[in-house]
Amino acid sequence: EAQVTQNPRYLITVTGKKLTVTCSQNMNHEYMSWYRQDPGLGLRQIYYSMNVEVTDKGDVPEGYKVSRKEKRNFPLILESPSPNQTSLYFCASSGPLTQYFGPGTRLLVL
Amino acid sequence: GQNIDQPTEMTATEGAIVQINCTYQTSGFNGLFWYQQHAGEAPTFLSYNVLDGLEEKGRFSSFLSRSKGYSYLLLKELQMKDSASYLCAVGTGNQFYFGTGTSLTVIP
Repeated sequence: EAQVTQNPRYLITVTGKKLTVTCSQNMNHEYMSWYRQDPGLGLRQIYYSMNVEVTDKGDVPEGYKVSRKEKRNFPLILESPSPNQTSLYFCASSGPLTQYFGPGTRLLVL
Repeated sequence: GQNIDQPTEMTATEGAIVQINCTYQTSGFNGLFWYQQHAGEAPTFLSYNVLDGLEEKGRFSSFLSRSKGYSYLLLKELQMKDSASYLCAVGTGNQFYFGTGTSLTVIP
């Protein structure tokens, strides 16, 4: 079954404690991206990757890092989380005509 | 900057037809996408338009006018399960930009 998986699904953490949200896809897609979704602001692209070792900033990259060492995995790293990074995060993997979204990670930074 | 506008909320009756509009101003255009998102869930793909005109897919159709920067999603024979948010998104270059979504409530 074609899918995008994310872990963890829910996370409560404290300001400054480094965390990583994992993302994996089994569709052999080259393009992957991360979004955050906030009420009234919609989905905003954080980072995207065109292929292995190729990553680029989206609209809201500040405070985030990514890596793409293998085609299937695209982790999102928050080195020093802050409360304004409390949000719902989606990883997505793109085929020729559409994006497939992971189930989402709900993050609360205290 | 990129600007994508859609109505915040709409209400329609079960069995009816509803049209959700989206206007966009973006630098570059690779295609326009519509997604459905139920509360607490991930967005799921509904339709893609890259050329002007109407694309029909069962109860859902999507229209695009590139010269006007305009698209709509048409939902026919509305069902209660169609209550959800509908997201308009534009692909430009290597990026995707989303509207804030239209929350559709279907009432009996």
